[in-house]
Amino acid sequence: QSALTQPASVSGSPGQSVTISCSGTSSDVGGYKYVSWYQQHPGKAPKLMIYEVDTRPSGVSNRFSGSKSGNTASLTISGLQAEDEADYYCSSYTGRNTPYVFGTGTKVTVL
Amino acid sequence: EVQLVESGGGLVQPGGSLRLSCAGSGFTFSSYWMHWVRQAPGRGLVSVSRIHTDGSITSYADSVKGRFTISRDNAKNTLILQMNSLRAEDTALYYCARALYTYVDYYGLDVWGQGTTVTVSS
Repeated sequence: QSALTQPASVSGSPGQSVTISCSGTSSDVGGYKYVSWYQQHPGKAPKLMIYEVDTRPSGVSNRFSGSKSGNTASLTISGLQAEDEADYYCSSYTGRNTPYVFGTGTKVTVL
Repeated sequence: EVQLVESGGGLVQPGGSLRLSCAGSGFTFSSYWMHWVRQAPGRGLVSVSRIHTDGSITSYADSVKGRFTISRDNAKNTLILQMNSLRAEDTALYYCARALYTYVDYYGLDVWGQGTTVTVSS
């Protein structure tokens, strides 16, 4: 049950795009299409931004997109805005008898 | 309004016990898998435990297995986490969260409470 690996931080200027990687194994990210992404602002609960690798819940901006290749998933934020500054966590389903696994988290800074 | 409200956190000595509760409202509680996720101060999210809609299936992180027990009372729309033999490393904000869709638990967690704080210290 090791955490998925994410970069500690990424940054970009308003309007730019940033991509956050999420590296796992064939037992989690690589083994299932059930990767999700969460946004967490300071002092707030996490918010689901992407599920099933690339699907946005209703109400989430289309500036957020997800993808996966092998054991690595990615979240891309296009047209970066000040409100996107937050921590982002990936997560993967790991099987019926084990809990989800989360990533180490990435702080996105808007310069 | 769909809502989850946690309670039961507090300060406890190492080796002690706490019982966390999570009250769900605004949705059919018995139709959803439910989860506990914790976040230590300044740290990331960690999945603690999850439970099937009818309580028949549960799973735990290795770090809490044998010490924590998840359960639910669907008649009262309540999720429970019984925490025994608490350690300093269990200190965290504990969130309860709901699976995105009814009856399946693959897709992620779409409703979260605001969390309840557990501090384990002498």
